[in-house]
Parts: sequence; C-alpha cells; structure tokens
Amino acid sequence: QKEVEQNSGPLSVPEGAIASLNCTYSDRGSQSFFWYRQYSGKSPELIMFIYSNGDKEDGRFTAQLNKASQYVSLLIRDSQPSDSATYLCAVITGGGNKLTFGTGTQLKVEL
Amino acid sequence: GAGVSQSPSNKVTEKGKDVELRCDPISGHTALYWYRQSLGQGLEFLIYFQGNSAPDKSGLPSDRFSAERTGGSVSTLTIQRTQQEDSAVYLCASSLVSRAGFGDTQYFGPGTRLTVL
Repeated sequence: QKEVEQNSGPLSVPEGAIASLNCTYSDRGSQSFFWYRQYSGKSPELIMFIYSNGDKEDGRFTAQLNKASQYVSLLIRDSQPSDSATYLCAVITGGGNKLTFGTGTQLKVEL
Repeated sequence: GAGVSQSPSNKVTEKGKDVELRCDPISGHTALYWYRQSLGQGLEFLIYFQGNSAPDKSGLPSDRFSAERTGGSVSTLTIQRTQQEDSAVYLCASSLVSRAGFGDTQYFGPGTRLTVL
C-alpha cells in the first residue's frame, strides 16, 4: 500500500462546476496535510494546508480532513480553465518532517 | 519577497561526471529540503536540513548522492559519477520552522532539470 494515494485522472469538469479531488493516506499518526498545484513544467505551489478534522475554506478552495477515515480532499468551486493542472496531495508522515506526496491527480477544466 | 532559487535551471551532463546543484532558500527559513521528480514518478524526498545539520538523509538513493548546507542558508546537492537513472527534476524547498511530526509549509524553488546522457 502506498503511503499517499490519489486517483491519477484525468478528472474532467466543465467550467463553473465543482471539482473534487481525493487523497487517502496510510500513516494514522499523520498530522499535517497539504495540497499543491503543479502546472506542466513548473514546480509545485501551495494551495492549502489543513491540520484539524473538518473543513477549511480559502476563496474557491475547500480542504476537508477526516482523520478517522484517513482521507483528505480538495474542492474547487467555480472551476476555471486556469485551474487545469496536476494537484498533489502531501502528508507529513512518520513523525518526521518530510513530505510524502501522492502521484497527483490531473484536472482538466473544459470550456 | 524573494522565493527559493535554484541553479542551474538546466544541466546536461555525460554519464560518469559529477554535478553540483545549488539551492538558496527563502531568507530566514531554517529548514531546507531536497526532493526529486522523475518522469512518471511522484515527488520523492531526498534529504532534510535543519540549520546546517541533516537529521534525515533517508531518501538519498545511493552513496553517490551527498548534500551540505553552510551558514544555515545555501545548500548544494552533489551527485557523483552520474547515471542515466539520475535524470530528473531536482527540487529544493524551504520552511520557516520544522516541528517533528507537524511540518511547517514548504515552499518550492523552480527546480533543476538534470539530464544524464
């Protein structure tokens, strides 16, 4: 079992719709969770982080964390073509400091 | 303010040569990380520095890889006797502090694309 798992996609949504990106992790002791966006040929840029169970909203983005189910998700409301990118879920695992990344979900927002 | 910078942006080398990759973190960030991203692979952790010491080197794939950090700032990742499988994008990240198990936000540099012929 991979430490952090994501559906590779591509996930296609029409412009203006809600995109839902999901991630599961195996280390039950993990406390810090991050979503990064990566455009082709570019480095990852932070979208959101979440530490506590529940929802955290920032503009069009909402991160959701359920530690009991070991599940973290990212919702993007009013999706725009500029949101088309690969979304990386990252988790601090093993009580250390390194980020363990999922392989990313490719999102395509279609006109 | 200035973000994480890396140099060179691209490096093409011949198999067997040594290469040095440089990372300049965000000013004041005490924690520095190296990752690499290979085609078709996810981002994988290589090494973590807190100040000038490296408490976690668990991701270095072989003894051909080494890294150092001086003055609590610039870091250099050195790959000796490069192999074709070393071809990847090498990414550096820094964070303000790093609390074990918790993790402060890591900000990534633009990366160095290494191609070993």
